[in-house]
Amino acid sequence: KNEVEQSPQNLTAQEGEFITINCSYSVGISALHWLQQHPGGGIVSLFMLSSGKKKHGRLIATINIQEKHSSLHITASHPRDSAVYICAVLPPNSGGGADGLTFGKGTHLIIQP
Amino acid sequence: SAVISQKPSRDICQRGTSLTIQCQVDSQVTMMFWYRQQPGQSLTLIATANQGSEATYESGFVIDKFPISRPNLTFSTLTVSNLSPEDSSIYLCSVTRGRRYNEQFFGPGTRLTVL
Repeated sequence: KNEVEQSPQNLTAQEGEFITINCSYSVGISALHWLQQHPGGGIVSLFMLSSGKKKHGRLIATINIQEKHSSLHITASHPRDSAVYICAVLPPNSGGGADGLTFGKGTHLIIQP
Repeated sequence: SAVISQKPSRDICQRGTSLTIQCQVDSQVTMMFWYRQQPGQSLTLIATANQGSEATYESGFVIDKFPISRPNLTFSTLTVSNLSPEDSSIYLCSVTRGRRYNEQFFGPGTRLTVL
């Protein structure tokens, strides 16, 4: 079973700061998700990565398959970015979509005005 | 994308009772998953709901406690039976669909509190 570790567990920053959240996993994967969970519990998928880098607005996600590591960056952070950010991985050979995700514990991010 | 709704959004239940959670998707999907998130913990897969056959349960989860139905390709229910305070969690439905089966979409979650 894959072990997914995130750091930091909690992060408080000032508006405008550059934010980095890290995720490492123990076993090879077919894809990695970055998810955002707001206080009500609902989850939104931000990125799905299997290699390289993706960018969407102020969010950037990178993955290094050899090092089993991914990072989520937020540029020009804003109080509305405050949420829990969760890393989740899919096991290898999941092309049929038959496997569930293994999740990290999440990073609680607070952006203060 | 896929739009997923869950009912109820939250509930407070008495010990020993059961709660059935519904998950409705706006289009046909390949796989539906049920996850649990206990307070302060990461999400954990309960089971995969297969249309037309029994659900596939993860280690530590059993059908008697978490019966699942999936009568068609857009709908599933999860029942949490014989409730105890330890069942207080957020329960999430998730689906995969389309050509990129690795892409997953999540419902808004059901927050259950057991007294």
